[in-house]
Amino acid sequence: DAGVIQSPRHEVTEMGQEVTLRCKPISGHDYLFWYRQTMMRGLELLIYFNNNVPIDDSGMPEDRFSAKMPNASFSTLKIQPSEPRDSAVYFCASSLASTGWRAEAFFGQGTRLTVV
Amino acid sequence: QKEVEQNSGPLSVPEGAIASLNCTYSDRVSQSFFWYRQYSGKSPELIMSIYSNGDKEDGRFTAQLNKASQYVSLLIRDSQPSDSATYLCAVNIRGTNAGKSTFGDGTTLTVKP
Repeated sequence: DAGVIQSPRHEVTEMGQEVTLRCKPISGHDYLFWYRQTMMRGLELLIYFNNNVPIDDSGMPEDRFSAKMPNASFSTLKIQPSEPRDSAVYFCASSLASTGWRAEAFFGQGTRLTVV
Repeated sequence: QKEVEQNSGPLSVPEGAIASLNCTYSDRVSQSFFWYRQYSGKSPELIMSIYSNGDKEDGRFTAQLNKASQYVSLLIRDSQPSDSATYLCAVNIRGTNAGKSTFGDGTTLTVKP
């Protein structure tokens, strides 16, 4: 299995532009998580899905952030409009619901976003 | 109080020494505990999981859990320079959010040759 695949790996954009981050979870995994990591705030959970349905989006910082999961093999995180404070590494992770509270998260390689 | 707290670090140990990483959690219904290792510029990867009180050993790594004290630790024996990384403690709880992990801020370990 190729693991969790994220694209792009790096994104540099100007303030005010729309940014879309993409994620393909591990086949068969039914939990998908979007995390943001910064030096100041560590690893923060933004939103997670179970069977393509958003379960908890309380970590989404503002209405400028939105996430979708149209099918079991694809998810997007969109920021519109982007701001310099959104600069961070964004990780997507997936896990298997059948393991329940023992579920281990498998992380993608991350997208390093820089907003100038 | 943060849900998951780790000793702030950074932690520096000489090669061959034992590195001790500590984590406390606030939610008493926490049931699963994980240690992830994250090399600089890379993504977190799982190295240990523990679900019951006591010790769990895997090679040079030992995870220790004490649910009464809400405390979990990771010991790395015979530390190697390749162990230099940030170690993240993560906690899962039972219930509807069972698959969700809450992470600590991490402890950065440096092993000096």
